[in-house]
Amino acid sequence: NAGVTQTPKFQVLKTGQSMTLQCAQDMNHEYMSWYRQDPGMGLRLIHYSVGAGITDQGEVPNGYNVSRSTTEDFPLRLLSAAPSQTSVYFCASRAPGQTFDEQFFGPGTRLTVL
Amino acid sequence: AQTVTQSQPEMSVQEAETVTLSCTYDTSENNYYLFWYKQPPSRQMILVIRQEAYKQQNATENRFSVNFQKAAKSFSLKISDSQLGDTAMYFCAFMKGSARQLTFGSGTQLTVLP
Repeated sequence: NAGVTQTPKFQVLKTGQSMTLQCAQDMNHEYMSWYRQDPGMGLRLIHYSVGAGITDQGEVPNGYNVSRSTTEDFPLRLLSAAPSQTSVYFCASRAPGQTFDEQFFGPGTRLTVL
Repeated sequence: AQTVTQSQPEMSVQEAETVTLSCTYDTSENNYYLFWYKQPPSRQMILVIRQEAYKQQNATENRFSVNFQKAAKSFSLKISDSQLGDTAMYFCAFMKGSARQLTFGSGTQLTVLP
């Protein structure tokens, strides 16, 4: 049971490049989320999904796309990277139907956009 | 919308001493959950303790306890017998009962001094 995995751990992009941050979980969790962490601002929600085929926007969705074709995977796409997207990105998953369940976080991806 | 405020960007404590981290939140919800997460230099987000709003009893997990004041919308974390391994960024987080995502505070960097 690997939990929540994210790849890559580090990435440097040039402005305008595109890339996909990968996130996978093997706990059969229906809920998955993407957060970004910036200095002095805590984690902010980008997009989330409550199950395969269902996604929705969070607090800071602009510049990012997501899709959820399987329960296990929830990739985050940057279509045209901007320096403002330099951040640490966390993926998280959570099981539904429990009142007090825990969100499990991946190890994060540090992205730098030059 | 919910907001979570951590007014102490940095704190330090001597090893074996007790420290309290502050957190206040603003919500009109009656059903919600509160969490403290720890983020060591490895960047991994680790759940420290959680509290259900409808419970009057303060949560306790070994050396970690909370002081939950619902009327004052305050949720402080007390760490007793501080250890060097407690050095980390600590985030307070809020989740309303019907939601699946967390709203985070900006964090408090705690340093335990030998």
